[in-house]
Amino acid sequence: AQKITQTQPGMFVQEKEAVTLDCTYDTSDQSYGLFWYKQPSSGEMIFLIYQGSYDEQNATEGRYSLNFQKARKSANLVISASQLGDSAMYFCAMREGTGNQFYFGTGTSLTVIP
Amino acid sequence: DTAVSQTPKYLVTQMGNDKSIKCEQNLGHDTMYWYKQDSKKFLKIMFSYNNKELIINETVPNRFSPKSPDKAHLNLHINSLELGDSAVYFCASSQAALRGAKNIQYFGAGTRLSVL
Repeated sequence: AQKITQTQPGMFVQEKEAVTLDCTYDTSDQSYGLFWYKQPSSGEMIFLIYQGSYDEQNATEGRYSLNFQKARKSANLVISASQLGDSAMYFCAMREGTGNQFYFGTGTSLTVIP
Repeated sequence: DTAVSQTPKYLVTQMGNDKSIKCEQNLGHDTMYWYKQDSKKFLKIMFSYNNKELIINETVPNRFSPKSPDKAHLNLHINSLELGDSAVYFCASSQAALRGAKNIQYFGAGTRLSVL
C-alpha cells in the first residue's frame, strides 16, 4: 500500500481564492510527522509546513494551514488568498516514528489563474 | 549561506561516462539523503547515510555509489551513465530521527543530469 496518496494530479484556483490540496497517509505508528513541500518551476524543494501526530492543533504558517484529521488519516494543505507565485508542484510527505525515511506522494500541480 | 548545497547544478554528459555529484550541508544534521526525480516528478529515495553509515539503500543499479567522508558531506558517483539516468538528483539532510521531534528534511537545489 502507498504510504502517501495525493489524488489530485492537477488543480486550478482563482487568484485570491483559497484552495485545498488533498493528502492521505497510511501508517500503523502512533508517532509520525507530516510535511508539505512546494516545488516551483525553478526546481527547488521548499519546506512549507509540519504537523506532528501528537499535535492537537492544526499547524499554520502564514497563508498555509494543515487540516489534520487523524481518524481519517488525512493531512490536507490549505492555501488561503492564493497568489500567482503559489503556482507550483506540492508534495505531501511522512516520516514514521524513529525511522529516517521520508515517504513522498506523487504531487499535485497547482495553477493559480489571474 | 546555503544550508544544503550540491554541485554541479547542471550536468550534461555522454553515455558511458562516469560522473560525480557533490553535496554538503552546514545544518549540523546527522542524516543525509539522495533522491532521484524523474520527468513525471516522482521522487524516489536512493540512499541515506546517518553519521557516515549507510542506512537506506534502495534498489538502484550498482553503478550508483554514494560516499560519505563525514556527516556533512554525501557524494554520489555514477559509473557508465545510461540514457535512463537522466533526471534531477536531490540531496537532502535532516536531524536523526527522534520520536516526537520535528526533523524537517531540507533539500539542495538539485542537479539536472542529462545523458546524451
